Amino acid sequence: DQQVKQNSPSLSVQEGRISILNCDYTNSMFDYFLWYKKYPAEGPTFLISISSIKDKNEDGRFTVFLNKSAKHLSLHIVPSQPGDSAVYFCAASDTNAGKSTFGDGTTLTVKP
Amino acid sequence: NAGVTQTPKFQVLKTGQSMTLQCAQDMNHEYMSWYRQDPGMGLRLIHYSVGAGITDQGEVPNGYNVSRSTTEDFPLRLLSAAPSQTSVYFCASSYSLRGYSGELFFGEGSRLTVL
Repeated sequence: DQQVKQNSPSLSVQEGRISILNCDYTNSMFDYFLWYKKYPAEGPTFLISISSIKDKNEDGRFTVFLNKSAKHLSLHIVPSQPGDSAVYFCAASDTNAGKSTFGDGTTLTVKP
Repeated sequence: NAGVTQTPKFQVLKTGQSMTLQCAQDMNHEYMSWYRQDPGMGLRLIHYSVGAGITDQGEVPNGYNVSRSTTEDFPLRLLSAAPSQTSVYFCASSYSLRGYSGELFFGEGSRLTVL
């Protein structure tokens, strides 16, 4: 049973528009949520995170929203840029257990 | 500042062979972990360590062994390679001054093919 799901394998948006990436989770023990960005032949890099006690966290063009009751989080990128084209992984952490679970990733393509 | 360094970057093994993937970090991170990524899938946790001398199993530990004798190094050993272990392996570390948060620093990956 997959505990972290990213239901959209791919997303294509026009440069300057908003990109919205979604993630659902099932485990109530998760208390910290993160987004990672990955380019081909590189390791994932941390992008933005949110604690379970918050519902929004902003960092420049990137905003993460958390809806605990729906067990859903989303990443908004505004405005999207061609350099944002990458695979985005959602991750959920059980900080007491010291473990993180990743989704399968969403490939974002931003067209000029 | 090198961050997390993995060697080798590429390796081809025959079924039954053993090998060790090396991982070293120079950030003085207490937490280190190994993940594997299969095509079209996310990263799955193999083993992790919260400090020197302490290791624990993740989601997919079978066929792998780890040890943590120093803070800097966390090698992953494949005991008897199988084609199902063909994957890209990522080592990651995290600071843990206030406990684990999940903010991981990843190496560039080691691509392993088992024939």
